[in-house]
Amino acid sequence: DTAVSQTPKYLVTQMGNDKSIKCEQNLGHDTMYWYKQDSKKFLKIMFSYNNKELIINETVPNRFSPKSPDKAHLNLHINSLELGDSAVYFCASSQVGAVGGAGELFFGEGSRLTVL
Amino acid sequence: GQNIDQPTEMTATEGAIVQINCTYQTSGFNGLFWYQQHAGEAPTFLSYNVLDGLEEKGRFSSFLSRSKGYSYLLLKELQMKDSASYLCAVAPSYTGFQKLVFGTGTRLLVSP
Repeated sequence: DTAVSQTPKYLVTQMGNDKSIKCEQNLGHDTMYWYKQDSKKFLKIMFSYNNKELIINETVPNRFSPKSPDKAHLNLHINSLELGDSAVYFCASSQVGAVGGAGELFFGEGSRLTVL
Repeated sequence: GQNIDQPTEMTATEGAIVQINCTYQTSGFNGLFWYQQHAGEAPTFLSYNVLDGLEEKGRFSSFLSRSKGYSYLLLKELQMKDSASYLCAVAPSYTGFQKLVFGTGTRLLVSP
């Protein structure tokens, strides 16, 4: 069983379209995240949810809207896609207190988005 | 602001020892993580340091000096499969553990 799974793995779409990425974790963690990794491999946090509540929103354009229907799921919807949105989007989860109080991240396999 | 620096790329030979350095300047500190990321795959957790000193875990060790804002990851008895990117990440205390700030990663190439 995959601990953190996200779909789809690959997305190729035209500018201006809307797309969604889904994420599910079966680790029983209370916190989930979306990270973006650009072409230079720089990994940057976008959003974090704790028990379905948004706790971090890192100055991401409001074309990006996360939704957490329950603490095991965190989806990402992107409106009006732009060329600069092309990246790999990683979902992750963690549990407070699991690693020295800080909680290591468990990442999904990533969703590679290409905007043409 | 947050700033995390690592070398962009390093090369080493199978069986050797390599040290990957990371320096950081953050407005708070609640621990430093090292992650390994093979090409096309997800990052995976390697180590966590919150107190000064060396943490050893098999062939990998991680060191932290909070006063110097400095950490390193030491890989011993290098194997070809260690070729990957190594990401240093800091948890700034003002948001606690839930926001990790990543460096740009060090790409390690291990040759025979």
